Amino acid sequence: DAKTTQPPSMDCAEGRAANLPCNHSTISGNEYVYWYRQIHSQGPQYIIHGLKNNETNEMASLIITEDRKSSTLILPHATLRDTAVYYCIASQGGSEKLVFGKGTKLTVNP
Amino acid sequence: NAGVMQNPRHLVRRRGQEARLRCSPMKGHSHVYWYRQLPEEGLKFMVYLQKENIIDESGMPKERFSAEFPKEGPSILRIQQVVRGDSAAYFCASSQQRTNEKLFFGSGTQLSVL
Repeated sequence: DAKTTQPPSMDCAEGRAANLPCNHSTISGNEYVYWYRQIHSQGPQYIIHGLKNNETNEMASLIITEDRKSSTLILPHATLRDTAVYYCIASQGGSEKLVFGKGTKLTVNP
Repeated sequence: NAGVMQNPRHLVRRRGQEARLRCSPMKGHSHVYWYRQLPEEGLKFMVYLQKENIIDESGMPKERFSAEFPKEGPSILRIQQVVRGDSAAYFCASSQQRTNEKLFFGSGTQLSVL
């Protein structure tokens, strides 16, 4: 599975959009990009995933560049409850192949 | 629709004792995954099971660790003769299918070895 690179930490003001970047320059054509988050002491929570096209759901939007070497997770209106570690994972699936790195610790400030 | 249920939430064991961690997947899910998270680190895959079968145990330590998912009842992660290095959060996840399927995680079991 492709390795992903994320900034270790980011800050965002409450009510503003949080844009979390992820680089996956070695991603292969059949690998999906998954995003999960982990709020302190809780189990990870699935956010969104995509292959080529941009995706949106009730939680977030996922923007994947045309060359698929990077992506951005967008939380449109961040709240304090969005403070968490966000993991970007590239995987061709079988769910057992999800490899969690250290992620980005997002802190939403009042 | 209950989520993935793990128990106990906290487990304290002395060195040399056995630890049993239980995981009930979401209703309708037949795929179970165990992950371990050491302090200040990311989650590490341990094992993937379907009902009565171990599919992938490439992340399991070779000794003292075992997992099962019987036809009836929860999945069990068993750690024999625990050592202090086993202290970690153990998370279970389940999915309905295998490929490119989002995982639903439980709240985890925090194992502390004294």
